Order: sequence, then C-alpha cells, then structure tokens
Amino acid sequence: NAGVMQNPRHLVRRRGQEARLRCSPMKGHSHVYWYRQLPEEGLKFMVYLQKENIIDESGMPKERFSAEFPKEGPSILRIQQVVRGDSAAYFCASSPGGAGTDTQYFGPGTRLTVL
Amino acid sequence: GDSVTQMEGPVTLSEEAFLTINCTYTATGYPSLFWYVQYPGEGLQLLLKATKADDKGSNKGFEATYRKETTSFHLEKGSVQVSDSAVYFCALRNRDSSYKLIFGSGTRLLVRP
Repeated sequence: NAGVMQNPRHLVRRRGQEARLRCSPMKGHSHVYWYRQLPEEGLKFMVYLQKENIIDESGMPKERFSAEFPKEGPSILRIQQVVRGDSAAYFCASSPGGAGTDTQYFGPGTRLTVL
Repeated sequence: GDSVTQMEGPVTLSEEAFLTINCTYTATGYPSLFWYVQYPGEGLQLLLKATKADDKGSNKGFEATYRKETTSFHLEKGSVQVSDSAVYFCALRNRDSSYKLIFGSGTRLLVRP
C-alpha cells in the first residue's frame, strides 16, 4: 500500500508566478490536510478537505491560496502570484476518516523556493 | 488557543546516552498527544501517541507519558543511536477540533558516534 504521494518534491518559482502542489492520499483515505512548515518552525495547519468539499480552511491565507480535492485525481494546493515569504515546505497528510482517533499519515512534502 | 511548547535544540548526545526532550501543552479539554519524527529530507512519521491521561505511548525504544497534572508529554529513550538523529515534533489534537494537529517548533537531535 503506497503511502501519501506528493509532487513535485522541489519547486522553484520566481515572484509573481503560480505554484501548484499535488497530493495523492493513501489508498482508501478520503480526508486530506495541508500543513506549511516555515524554516526552523513547526508545521502549521492550512486546510482540511474531503472529496469535493473544503471542511476547514481557517489556516489558509485569505488571498492567493486555494485548495481543492476533486472527485477524481489528487488534491491540489495552488498559490498564485508567489512571494518570497511563501518559500516553505508544504506537507500533505491523509486519513481514512476525520475522527479524532484517526492517525494522519504524512507525505514527503514539497519544498517551494521563491526567487 | 491551544499550543505546544518544546525545548529548543539542537540537542547533541553521544551514542548510548539517555535522551529527554521536554514538551508541554496548553489546551482546553482532553487532547490527544503525539510525537512525530522527521528525518532529513523526509516527511513526518508518527513515532508514538497517547489519547488520555496517564497513557504511555512507546515505539522503537522511545516512550512518553501523558501527564495531565503537569500538562506534559516528555519524550525519552534510554540509549540513543546515531540513526535517531532527526527533528522531533510534539503535537496535540483537541477533540473539539479533532482533525487539526497543532505542532511544537521541533527539536533537532544529533547523536554522535
């Protein structure tokens, strides 16, 4: 059973470009979470999605960031008009359900560098 | 709001030394507590967890006890190995927002041969 897959692993963008980060959850998991890790900091929750639904986006910046988890295909975190402050590691996690007893399994992350 | 505080690193130890990484938390209610480990260039792996007071989580020689009276969840290992070198994150998940993990800032451990 493959783990959580994220691609690309490394992404370099210039200021003003768009970044698209992809996350394929573990097989059988329908709940996806995105976290951001700034340099030398812990992970911060961004958004929680189920198939075709955003459940909680309270950790997402109000502008330029969006996330989706379509019925088919991976979850996408999209950052428009990137700025240097967006440089970070973005981790996706998945779980079979959203209950408090469900372990979240993390992917290897996408390291975004904005030049 | 809920928060997790970890001791600052880096922690540098010799192989076979005893390890303690302190973690304290602030939360309403009765959160579940976790330790995750991040090896260089990789994602986070769940190391151990405890879901109620006085529970002890353990895995790969690591253990941590959920202490409600001191709001702590310190990570310990009796004899570290070079392969334990990594960043360790303490985290909580509150049942009121059961899906959201709240992380500490991480503690880097370096074990020397």
